[in-house]
Amino acid sequence: EDQVTQSPEALRLQEGESSSLNCSYTVSGLRGLFWYRQDPGKGPEFLFTLYSAGEEKEKERLKATLTKKESFLHITAPKPEDSATYLCAVHALVFGKGTRLSVIA
Amino acid sequence: NAGVTQTPKFQVLKTGQSMTLQCAQDMNHEYMSWYRQDPGMGLRLIHYSVGAGITDQGEVPNGYNVSRSTTEDFPLRLLSAAPSQTSVYFCASSYGMSAGNTIYFGEGSWLTVV
Repeated sequence: EDQVTQSPEALRLQEGESSSLNCSYTVSGLRGLFWYRQDPGKGPEFLFTLYSAGEEKEKERLKATLTKKESFLHITAPKPEDSATYLCAVHALVFGKGTRLSVIA
Repeated sequence: NAGVTQTPKFQVLKTGQSMTLQCAQDMNHEYMSWYRQDPGMGLRLIHYSVGAGITDQGEVPNGYNVSRSTTEDFPLRLLSAAPSQTSVYFCASSYGMSAGNTIYFGEGSWLTVV
């Protein structure tokens, strides 16, 4: 059974304080690891797809990396507008419970 | 571009009532799906469809029906609403289920069953 576990559940950062979110997964043959951002009262918004170990993708202050067992979403010098829940999913079907990020000015 | 459109945005039902959540996409996507999102549970797949006329069950299908008569529309039916179906429902679509196909989500439908 495919499983996705995200940690931490919640993360509070000061503006400019870099950190990483973790997504551990167990699947029988990875066909895509997806990262989404979800704002309160909104649907998830696509950020990245990673396919193979060693792959990295960047978008503004966010960088996603992938190993054979986990993915990290690195946030560099975050701003308050980065506050959201970040979701990861495998095969775009099985989602983790998310990490709720709060960035304080 | 409208993307994925869900209606209604908010709905209150009485236990035992039936209703349909509507979902439409204008991107000519073959794959459509319905999720529910509950506090502490994350997104859970209810039903999905890989094309018109084809549907399948996801992780939590009980109490819900779907049909796919056209590429554009994928309605979710609650046959006899129960308080346990109080949740936020998201419809999503993509070109397909294989890797590389980004899933686009609707804005959500908030359902309360009393």
